[in-house]
Amino acid sequence: NAGVTQTPKFQVLKTGQSMTLQCAQDMNHEYMSWYRQDPGMGLRLIHYSVGAGITDQGEVPNGYNVSRSTTEDFPLRLLSAAPSQTSVYFCASTRTGDGYTFGSGTRLTVV
Amino acid sequence: AQRVTQPEKLLSVFKGAPVELKCNYSYSGSPELFWYVQYSRQRLQLLLRHISRESIKGFTADLNKGETSFHLKKPFAQEEDSAMYYCALISSASKIIFGSGTRLSIRP
Repeated sequence: NAGVTQTPKFQVLKTGQSMTLQCAQDMNHEYMSWYRQDPGMGLRLIHYSVGAGITDQGEVPNGYNVSRSTTEDFPLRLLSAAPSQTSVYFCASTRTGDGYTFGSGTRLTVV
Repeated sequence: AQRVTQPEKLLSVFKGAPVELKCNYSYSGSPELFWYVQYSRQRLQLLLRHISRESIKGFTADLNKGETSFHLKKPFAQEEDSAMYYCALISSASKIIFGSGTRLSIRP
């Protein structure tokens, strides 16, 4: 039982490049979310999903896409990276009545 | 509006002193409230949930619906308690709303 697995742990991108942050959970959780953590801003919700095939926008969705083709996976795509997207990204999952389980984070730098 | 407020960005206390991290919330229904902790460069971990009324690592938190608060308390701080603490609310749609976090620094 690995919990929530995020890859990669670190990434440096050039402005304009695209990439996908991977998130997988093996707990059969229906809810999954992506957050970014910036100094002084706490955690902000980017996108979330309440089940396979269902996604919705959070607080700061611009510049990011998600899909949820399976219960286990919830990848986050950066379409055209910008320096403002330099942040630490956390994926999390839960089921009804539980607290969230978080991944270990991806530290992304856009230069 | 659903909101979680942690008024202190930084809280610094001496080892052995009592700790209280404040959290206030705004939510129209019956909230599910949690405290999460993040030690330096590690993943966020669930510390407490209000429904279980447990004590973890000496921390407790009581939901006060009248004051809409869920403050985190510990009677005697330890150096290993230094971390970032987030109060969070989970809505009926299982969306989680975080406070902005409080950095707890324990001085020796």
